[in-house]
Amino acid sequence: GAVVSQHPSRVICKSGTSVKIECRSLDFQATTMFWYRQFPKQSLMLMATSNEGSKATYEQGVEKDKFLINHASLTLSTLTVTSAHPEDSSFYICSARDRQRDRGTQYFGPGTRLTVL
Amino acid sequence: AQSVTQLGSHVSVSEGALVLLRCNYSSSVPPYLFWYVQYPNQGLQLLLKYTSAATLVKGINGFEAEFKKSETSFHLTKPSAHMSDAAEYFCAVSEDNQGGKLIFGQGTELSVKP
Repeated sequence: GAVVSQHPSRVICKSGTSVKIECRSLDFQATTMFWYRQFPKQSLMLMATSNEGSKATYEQGVEKDKFLINHASLTLSTLTVTSAHPEDSSFYICSARDRQRDRGTQYFGPGTRLTVL
Repeated sequence: AQSVTQLGSHVSVSEGALVLLRCNYSSSVPPYLFWYVQYPNQGLQLLLKYTSAATLVKGINGFEAEFKKSETSFHLTKPSAHMSDAAEYFCAVSEDNQGGKLIFGQGTELSVKP
């Protein structure tokens, strides 16, 4: 149980295009989802916290207009990287928490590798 | 503000040897602590967590961790390393017990030699 999926697992795009990444909780309802970014050989950096039905809360230094987050349902959050540039290339990981089943724990998706040419 | 420090970015052990990955935290409130494992090009898998119950926490794959308040530590151990344990390990602290924002340590890469 407590499975989180991400789609796509890998995406390559041209500079200037927008890319959408989906994060789904498959067997539980996630009132809160988190988006992280991870550079090679580094730790995870929290980008934003996404609450269902409300605006996301962005961490300091993260451009909200560049990284658009939508959490329209209890099982789906999306991250859109707008006008992507090579410096946006990274591993993006989402997580979700199930307040009802296992309070206090975040479950992570498998990640999405974004490469911007 | 909470923070986590993992001592040693890389640890190498022989197969069958003891695994010890160090984690120290700072927190002004009782912390909730986690260890996650990440295999190459994958997301994070929860190994174990401390949420103010027993100070010795047992997790999956034979790992365990002990919460020591006096030392502000939450070190991860496994009595006998297996080749499949080779991965990146992250210690994390949560702001609250509701699965709030996680603060991650820098990570420790574990290598296991045959």
